[in-house]
Amino acid sequence: GAVVSQHPSRVICKSGTSVKIECRSLDFQATTMFWYRQFPKQSLMLMATSNEGSKATYEQGVEKDKFLINHASLTLSTLTVTSAHPEDSSFYICSARSPESRTGRATQYFGPGTRLTVL
Amino acid sequence: DAKTTQPPSMDCAEGRAANLPCNHSTISGNEYVYWYRQIHSQGPQYIIHGLKNNETNEMASLIITEDRKSSTLILPHATLRDTAVYYCIVIYNQGGKLIFGQGTELSVKP
Repeated sequence: GAVVSQHPSRVICKSGTSVKIECRSLDFQATTMFWYRQFPKQSLMLMATSNEGSKATYEQGVEKDKFLINHASLTLSTLTVTSAHPEDSSFYICSARSPESRTGRATQYFGPGTRLTVL
Repeated sequence: DAKTTQPPSMDCAEGRAANLPCNHSTISGNEYVYWYRQIHSQGPQYIIHGLKNNETNEMASLIITEDRKSSTLILPHATLRDTAVYYCIVIYNQGGKLIFGQGTELSVKP
């Protein structure tokens, strides 16, 4: 299957700082990427849809000014957690939607996730 | 998108077939059934998807009932590495958003 990478895989930061997480699709161009968050023993929660060259669409209850998303190219989307606090500690996972030429295969491929710990 | 219902947990003996059920009684005619799994502390992994016909790939088989109100994911020879949470998701088309429910936690035991 297609490969999606995330960097860093884990990050520990102090409260009040900002953290940037990168998501890259390595072998296909993705016009649409997605960001999810997962708390311990819970399912994945969709945070936002990231569209290349346009503003992200946020799910209800997700603060767009706190979770900044930039999809500057067809292979890279970034999520910046601004002024992070301990309650933002979570597992953040991105996914990339494969192009239509892959019809018949999976539409979304997921990254390995980034574990954020805010002290 | 149609809601799905899955048992919260299942056990399976190593080497035996694992049959994971999913109920999607409100599915509409152009909604697809997708299966993903998540091994602990990793990102979800695509397994298989289908519309109305049964599907098979190198990982699993997907059996969809004729009325499309339920489906079963079959892992023919489960191994310990198949221990994971399995998610059944119904989406409007192949471009829809994947919304995850609670899934089924499958434990494969020696």
